[in-house]
Amino acid sequence: GAVVSQHPSWVICKSGTSVKIECRSLDFQATTMFWYRQFPKQSLMLMATSNEGSKATYEQGVEKDKFLINHASLTLSTLTVTSAHPEDSSFYICSASLQGAGDTQYFGPGTRLTVL
Amino acid sequence: AQSVAQPEDQVNVAEGNPLTVKCTYSVSGNPYLFWYVQYPNRGLQFLLKYITGDNLVKGSYGFEAEFNKSQTSFHLKKPSALVSDSALYFCAVRPRVESNYQLIWGAGTKLIIKP
Repeated sequence: GAVVSQHPSWVICKSGTSVKIECRSLDFQATTMFWYRQFPKQSLMLMATSNEGSKATYEQGVEKDKFLINHASLTLSTLTVTSAHPEDSSFYICSASLQGAGDTQYFGPGTRLTVL
Repeated sequence: AQSVAQPEDQVNVAEGNPLTVKCTYSVSGNPYLFWYVQYPNRGLQFLLKYITGDNLVKGSYGFEAEFNKSQTSFHLKKPSALVSDSALYFCAVRPRVESNYQLIWGAGTKLIIKP
């Protein structure tokens, strides 16, 4: 149980294009989802917290107009990288919170974005 | 400021030997404590968590962690290491008083198990 999927697992795009990444909780409902970015050999950097039916809360320094987050349902959140540039190349990971004692976060497998 | 420390960037252990990956935290109250593992180019997998009760928590793949309140530590352990345990391990903490479910992350420890 508590499986989170991400699609696509990797994507290569041209500079200036937009890329959408989907995050789904497959066997549970997640009122809260998180989007992280991970640079090589580094820990996770929280980008935003997404609650179903409301606007995402972005961390300081994260451009909300560049990284659009939509949490349309209790099982789906999307991250759209708009007008992508090479510096946006990174490993993006989502997680979904399973409510209960401790509210464990379960993570997707990640999406490797490469912007040429 | 609240923080989580994993003092070792890398831990090397021979296969079959016991392993310990250290984690200490500076977070107010009695936080929830988590360990996650990350294999190359993959997302994170939940290993175990401490909520309350017994200080020794057992988790996936034979791992366990010991909570020490006085030392504010939550070290990850395994009695006998396997080569397949080689991965990146993250300790994370969530304050009980927070309502946004965010985790405070350690920097990660690379565990290398040598045959």
